[in-house]
Amino acid sequence: AQSVTQPDIHITVSEGASLELRCNYSYGATPYLFWYVQSPGQGLQLLLKYFSGDTLVQGIKGFEAEFKRSQSSFNLRKPSVHWSDAAEYFCAVVISGNTGKLIFGQGTTLQVKP
Amino acid sequence: DAGVTQSPTHLIKTRGQHVTLRCSPISGHKSVSWYQQVLGQGPQFIFQYYEKEERGRGNFPDRFSARQFPNYSSELNVNALLLGDSALYLCASSPRVRTGAFGNTIYFGEGSWLTVV
Repeated sequence: AQSVTQPDIHITVSEGASLELRCNYSYGATPYLFWYVQSPGQGLQLLLKYFSGDTLVQGIKGFEAEFKRSQSSFNLRKPSVHWSDAAEYFCAVVISGNTGKLIFGQGTTLQVKP
Repeated sequence: DAGVTQSPTHLIKTRGQHVTLRCSPISGHKSVSWYQQVLGQGPQFIFQYYEKEERGRGNFPDRFSARQFPNYSSELNVNALLLGDSALYLCASSPRVRTGAFGNTIYFGEGSWLTVV
């Protein structure tokens, strides 16, 4: 069965430090990949997406992610974290040809230290 | 343009009752999906509707049902509420029903918080 794994449940970084959130998926065919962010009590905001082409994709708020087929990974990165980035981050995959159903990881909670 | 809008934002129900949640998709989006997010977990897919027809169903009991109207808005209904149904219910819309070569970006609303007591 298709699945998405976010190995880190909770990450704490200092403001201004770099960030990498990990995401691994299991599926043999071409995946379509998303990163969403959720602030407390809020819905999901799309950060970035990968459908095809350049494997390094840029998103909003200074985030980027790199698709690595050989590692089945789609890690999210940011060079310098701001206190406002503290939130829950979800990686999700849509299987090509599916009905558009998203499969989500468990999420990673990001805490930012001053 | 307005994003995905959901109502109500918060509600409290008693076990055994019924609840109806509503969703209006982004203008021009014909596909609506529903997700359940239990505290501390990622969202779980419940339904997808496109052109008023069910196009996908997740692993949820028959107490959960939905429908889509001609204007593409949607309702999620849950009967015989259980304590375990307490969750954030998210609605998402997208332009198309299938993910093809050009992708199919899925946008979420703010959700409806359901508490069952």
